[in-house]
Amino acid sequence: GENVEQHPSTLSVQEGDSAVIKCTYSDSASNYFPWYKQELGKGPQLIIDIRSNVGEKKDQRIAVTLNKTAKHFSLHITETQPEDSAVYFCAASVGGFKTIFGAGTRLFVKA
Amino acid sequence: DAGVIQSPRHEVTEMGQEVTLRCKPISGHNSLFWYRQTMMRGLELLIYFNNNVPIDDSGMPEDRFSAKMPNASFSTLKIQPSEPRDSAVYFCAIGTSGYNEQFFGPGTRLTVL
Repeated sequence: GENVEQHPSTLSVQEGDSAVIKCTYSDSASNYFPWYKQELGKGPQLIIDIRSNVGEKKDQRIAVTLNKTAKHFSLHITETQPEDSAVYFCAASVGGFKTIFGAGTRLFVKA
Repeated sequence: DAGVIQSPRHEVTEMGQEVTLRCKPISGHNSLFWYRQTMMRGLELLIYFNNNVPIDDSGMPEDRFSAKMPNASFSTLKIQPSEPRDSAVYFCAIGTSGYNEQFFGPGTRLTVL
């Protein structure tokens, strides 16, 4: 079955710097790769996603890249702000149903 | 969290008791997912329904766990009997066939003593 590995587990950056979180997946049939942000006491919230027919997608300060050949995808946050501090999860699925999540990255943005 | 109501938000029970977690999705989504989140195992998919029919329950850990979706606006996850290792946050999420996005509820924090 699908396995998703996520690195790093913890990331600390200075406000204004960029943050990069990387994930790899094992199932070449996976075609949908969402990223979720989870704040304390809340459920994960979808922040951006990418499908296998696209190599890169950007939404304001957030961008995702996908390398299907290498089976890895990354989340890039530019100009980080204290409110970006949260746990971020990558995930992979085939058709959006059986979604497998990475272990999560705890991001700290220091003011 | 908008669009999915979970109850209770917190549940504390004793080992051996039956626990029922509830999820009420808004209309317009025909897929429903139950997840469990722990520090050790992260976010795990337990079961998902499409048009109220269970499609894949391979993530349900044991026979003590069962889930139902009697109609499009209600689902339950039941644990009987509960054990301390069931302590976790349980999330309900919704989606729509043909679209990949899932929207999570606020979760139920379960503590089994």
